[in-house]
Amino acid sequence: KQEVTQIPAALSVPEGENLVLNCSFTDSAIYNLQWFRQDPGKGLTSLLLIQSSQREQTSGRLNASLDKSSGRSTLYIAASQPGDSATYLCAAKMDSSYKLIFGSGTRLLVRP
Amino acid sequence: SQTIHQWPATLVQPVGSPLSLECTVEGTSNPNLYWYRQAAGRGLQLLFYSVGIGQISSEVPQNLSASRPQDRQFILSSKKLLLSDSGFYLCAWDRQGDEQFFGPGTRLTVL
Repeated sequence: KQEVTQIPAALSVPEGENLVLNCSFTDSAIYNLQWFRQDPGKGLTSLLLIQSSQREQTSGRLNASLDKSSGRSTLYIAASQPGDSATYLCAAKMDSSYKLIFGSGTRLLVRP
Repeated sequence: SQTIHQWPATLVQPVGSPLSLECTVEGTSNPNLYWYRQAAGRGLQLLFYSVGIGQISSEVPQNLSASRPQDRQFILSSKKLLLSDSGFYLCAWDRQGDEQFFGPGTRLTVL
């Protein structure tokens, strides 16, 4: 059974810092991995999707990497801003499955 | 471009009352559709998914049911709400293997 874990559960950093959010999964047979952002009381916003054949994806100040062999994905945020404050969730889709399996999220606070 | 709508945005219902939450997707055809629940302090739990009209798969036995009467419409229902049904309900869609996109959610409080 696939399990997805995100560490740390919460993170507080000063504005301008580069930071890394971690996501680990127990079953390497993933089809893709997706990173989301959720603001309080809102739905999820898709940030990046990495297919199993890819190593990384970039969008603006965000870079996500995928290492299937070690069961890890990281989301790198460059030059963090207060507007980046939100909960970040990763989710793995398994081969031949419609389901996304979510981690419990990392709550990020970027202090001005 | 694709858009996903959910309504109502907020709902307060008494225990034992019925429930109907609606989700519609625009700008795509034959999407996979999903209902998730996010309870306070907990992660997202997949409740139902649908790969086509009338095709519903349930992930967790519970007090809820889902229906897909049209290609881009997904409905979450209950005949009698329980206190434990309170939560934030999210609808999502994707095409197999692609990004999954979420709606704005419905906050349900059962009193």
